[in-house]
Amino acid sequence: GDSVTQMEGPVTLSEEAFLTINCTYTATGYPSLFWYVQYPGEGLQLLLKATKADDKGSNKGFEATYRKETTSFHLEKGSVQVSDSAVYFCALRSAVGSARQLTFGSGTQLTVLP
Amino acid sequence: GAVVSQHPSRVICKSGTSVKIECRSLDFQATTMFWYRQFPKQSLMLMATSNEGSKATYEQGVEKDKFLINHASLTLSTLTVTSAHPEDSSFYICSARNTEQFFGPGTRLTVL
Repeated sequence: GDSVTQMEGPVTLSEEAFLTINCTYTATGYPSLFWYVQYPGEGLQLLLKATKADDKGSNKGFEATYRKETTSFHLEKGSVQVSDSAVYFCALRSAVGSARQLTFGSGTQLTVLP
Repeated sequence: GAVVSQHPSRVICKSGTSVKIECRSLDFQATTMFWYRQFPKQSLMLMATSNEGSKATYEQGVEKDKFLINHASLTLSTLTVTSAHPEDSSFYICSARNTEQFFGPGTRLTVL
């Protein structure tokens, strides 16, 4: 079945540091890939997505590129801020099947220190 | 973007009571709604998928008689935790989908 493997946290960085959170996946065909962010006490918000190979999703300074050859969708940001502290989830939606539900990674807690 | 609301945001109840959580899509009609459960510092676990007017499809290991899901309209789904016990304490998140999937803010359930 589909699965998402995400870099384990927690990750602690200083403000303005470079961020990478690794995400790899296993799926049949060409799934859509997502990054969600969850701030403390809140639900998930879509951060960015990519629907086909070599697509780059970007939002709020975050980027991730859909790499079919390495089955990866790593999240990056060049300069993190304290307000980026949150839990980040990588997810995929299968291209096959009628339900097409999301499969989530385990989440990575990011803490950015001033 | 589309808005999904949940009510209540937080509930504390006694063991043995039932709790109802509402999920509403505020500005779009959701053909499908999902209910997830999230344990502390863990990922979201899909509990069930529901389509308006039909019975919910439960994931393996989820008791359908304990977690009652009603999807009465294209904008409302409810999750009722029946005879709640302390082990049901968790963060419950609903999600609604038309062309994209949007998440509610979650409901923190604490069973004493």
